[in-house]
Amino acid sequence: DTGVSQDPRHKITKRGQNVTFRCDPISEHNRLYWYRQTLGQGPEFLTYFQNEAQLEKSRLLSDRFSAERPKGSFSTLEIQRTEQGDSAMYLCASRRADTQYFGPGTRLTVL
Amino acid sequence: GIQVEQSPPDLILQEGANSTLRCNFSDSVNNLQWFHQNPWGQLINLFYIPSGTKQNGRLSATTVATERYSLLYISSSQTTDSGVYFCAVPGEYGGSQGNLIFGKGTKLSVKP
Repeated sequence: DTGVSQDPRHKITKRGQNVTFRCDPISEHNRLYWYRQTLGQGPEFLTYFQNEAQLEKSRLLSDRFSAERPKGSFSTLEIQRTEQGDSAMYLCASRRADTQYFGPGTRLTVL
Repeated sequence: GIQVEQSPPDLILQEGANSTLRCNFSDSVNNLQWFHQNPWGQLINLFYIPSGTKQNGRLSATTVATERYSLLYISSSQTTDSGVYFCAVPGEYGGSQGNLIFGKGTKLSVKP
């Protein structure tokens, strides 16, 4: 396993701009998850995919957020019209059996 | 939804000391994971332990599912053990194969 990778690792943007993050899961893991983590808190679930199907979205995922996994491999998370409250670490995970494996995260700062 | 509480919130140890971290959860679960988040933010799997006891080197974990708690033991702590320790249980989406609900973590600092 090469591990879950995320790109970019850091992103600084101005309020109102759009940003897109990429996650490459461990190969052959068919479930992929996105979480958001703010300072001093544990990760909070945003959405997950089984293969290319987006199965669930949490109440945290506002209309400005969209996620895709077009071929059941990598996934993208887009935030439109970013707000300062979107500043957080965005984590991706993929799953084998009962264990989720996390990527290094993308730290977003909205100025 | 299920609630996950971890204690203590902060812990400072001298290198070589032992410690016990606790995770309480409000409902029965069939999946529980412990993670270590290092100072660079990477979440590292420590244990998948829905019940019973497991050991991995200086770390061990015990989950008593009937009493809704899990314990993580760190023996002979090292400075590299510093970071935040999270426990996580299945959330409301997708059953045991779905999302995880995390506690707020225990922040451990090991001093040389």
